[in-house]
Amino acid sequence: GENVEQHPSTLSVQEGDSAVIKCTYSDSASNYFPWYKQELGKRPQLIIDIRSNVGEKKDQRIAVTLNKTAKHFSLHITETQPEDSAVYFCAASRSTGFQKLVFGTGTRLLVSP
Amino acid sequence: SQTIHQWPATLVQPVGSPLSLECTVEGTSNPNLYWYRQAAGRGLQLLFYSVGIGQISSEVPQNLSASRPQDRQFILSSKKLLLSDSGFYLCAWGAHYGYTFGSGTRLTVV
Repeated sequence: GENVEQHPSTLSVQEGDSAVIKCTYSDSASNYFPWYKQELGKRPQLIIDIRSNVGEKKDQRIAVTLNKTAKHFSLHITETQPEDSAVYFCAASRSTGFQKLVFGTGTRLLVSP
Repeated sequence: SQTIHQWPATLVQPVGSPLSLECTVEGTSNPNLYWYRQAAGRGLQLLFYSVGIGQISSEVPQNLSASRPQDRQFILSSKKLLLSDSGFYLCAWGAHYGYTFGSGTRLTVV
């Protein structure tokens, strides 16, 4: 089955800096890669996703890149703000047939003012 | 639009007591439904998933069970809780792309 590894486990940055979180996956048939943000005590919420037919996707200050050959994808947050502080999870799945998201272990991002 | 309801929000239960957590979805039919558990400071562990009424798949052998008595209802149960069952339980429904999570139940077994 699919296995998703995520690094780093914690990341501390100064406000205004960029943050990068990296994930690798094992199943070459996976073609859908979402990122979730979980604030303390809250549910995970989808912030951006990418499908295997594109290499990069941007939404304001966040972007995701995908390298299918190397089987890794990354989340990039620019101009970080204190409200970006949260735990971020990557995930991977096949979009055809029954979908079962496999999550990474999470990255705790702390943005200091 | 689709919405997912999960209750209760918090629960404190003694060891050995039973458990029932409920999740319902509105605005969609025949959804794929999932139960995840998140231990304190940890990742998301898939417990059960269901593709239809009465169809339950278990990912991890444990002290829990799941049932789907109606198309848009998913229940997580235990006959006797263990201390290790403490955690944040999340129900989710999935479409072709991505999940929508319920608001979660924080279970503390004492």
